[in-house]
Amino acid sequence: EIVLTQSPGTLSLSPGERATLSCRASQSVTSSSFAWYQQKPGQAPRLLIYGTSTRAAGIPDRFSGSGSGTDFTLTISRLDPEDFAVYYCQHYGNSLWTFGQGTKVEIK
Amino acid sequence: EIHLVESGGGLVQPGGSLRLSCSASGFGFPTYVMHWVRQPPGKGLEFVSSLSSNAYTTSYTDSVKGRFTISRDNSQNTLYLQMSSLRLEDTAVYYCVNSRTGRYFESWGQGTLVTVSS
Repeated sequence: EIVLTQSPGTLSLSPGERATLSCRASQSVTSSSFAWYQQKPGQAPRLLIYGTSTRAAGIPDRFSGSGSGTDFTLTISRLDPEDFAVYYCQHYGNSLWTFGQGTKVEIK
Repeated sequence: EIHLVESGGGLVQPGGSLRLSCSASGFGFPTYVMHWVRQPPGKGLEFVSSLSSNAYTTSYTDSVKGRFTISRDNSQNTLYLQMSSLRLEDTAVYYCVNSRTGRYFESWGQGTLVTVSS
């Protein structure tokens, strides 16, 4: 079973700054089956990125995804006040869906 | 616009049963893989179960195998999760989610809270 480890646990940044979130898989995974989600307090998660780097419908271009093998990154180029939230990575393989534990992006 | 509306959550004693429903609209429900994902209070996301568009293929996380059953009624655009032998650790918000490819979770409902407590 693949384990996804996200780092850091919490990222304290100011609006306008760049955010770099990491997700490491315990073994090499398929890039086409890797995704990122955003969850704000009291809300359901929202799909941001799928296939490692494709933005979902309606997602601003300040969000970008990259990576391959075991290391994947979500980058928010300039933090907007609405971007402060928890972010989860997720992988699918062999009928198993796995989430990372989440990274909280908070206002510094 | 896609709408996924869960219902059926509530307070249940350990060992009890509950059936969740998810009413779908705004997309071709019969052609989508459907999932249940849960989130315990204050914690992260956990995949629970998945059902193929034709209802032939199911998947469950290990902790619910033999206790939960996922099903769907494509004529009514509705997804179900029958939960039995409920445990304290099943306490969570349960989300209904759709997926065209089955690999990731596209549109989410607002969730329904299941509380297992004596």
